[in-house]
Amino acid sequence: RKEVEQDPGPFNVPEGATVAFNCTYSNSASQSFFWYRQDCRKEPKLLMSVYSSGNEDGRFTAQLNRASQYISLLIRDSKLSDSATYLCVVEPSGNTPLVFGKGTRLSVIA
Amino acid sequence: GAVVSQHPSRVICKSGTSVKIECRSLDFQATTMFWYRQFPKQSLMLMATSNEGSKATYEQGVEKDKFLINHASLTLSTLTVTSAHPEDSSFYICSARDWSGGAQETQYFGPGTRLLVL
Repeated sequence: RKEVEQDPGPFNVPEGATVAFNCTYSNSASQSFFWYRQDCRKEPKLLMSVYSSGNEDGRFTAQLNRASQYISLLIRDSKLSDSATYLCVVEPSGNTPLVFGKGTRLSVIA
Repeated sequence: GAVVSQHPSRVICKSGTSVKIECRSLDFQATTMFWYRQFPKQSLMLMATSNEGSKATYEQGVEKDKFLINHASLTLSTLTVTSAHPEDSSFYICSARDWSGGAQETQYFGPGTRLLVL
């Protein structure tokens, strides 16, 4: 089983749609969780950290279920500028390298 | 905010040459930097962890004699791809952690170096 698995995508959605990405991780001892965004031919950039209590940042909501080892990202009211690859990222423990999922590509269409 | 730079941003070279990529943390000190490689439509794969003042730790399957890492100062790590071959063509990205804030650390990525070996 891969360490971090994500929906394969791509997701093609119209502007204004709500889209959800799912991710599972294999290491139950993992400590920190993130969603990164990567634009084509660019480096990943942190979108948001993910907490057990769930957290929201504008149109973006992230959830973590430690029991199920499952992470989600919800994007409401999609914008054209949201088109990118979304990477689910897990940190096994402090000061260890991040482990990346393959990413899910999102295309928001006008 | 913290910035990590990489140089060069892209390289085209002939097979058999060596290529050096620099990764710098511009406004913070990084005792640890990470080197990743990303092939098209693939995830970032960790190659090695670069430790200031000591040897790098390589991931399984990454040849340490081919991918030389030097972390000579708290703000600079270099990756040298020796005797590059076409299969080494990839997007190389470094990252560094800023621990100075005391809160949950943030890992910053460099802009990446795109290597094409002919």
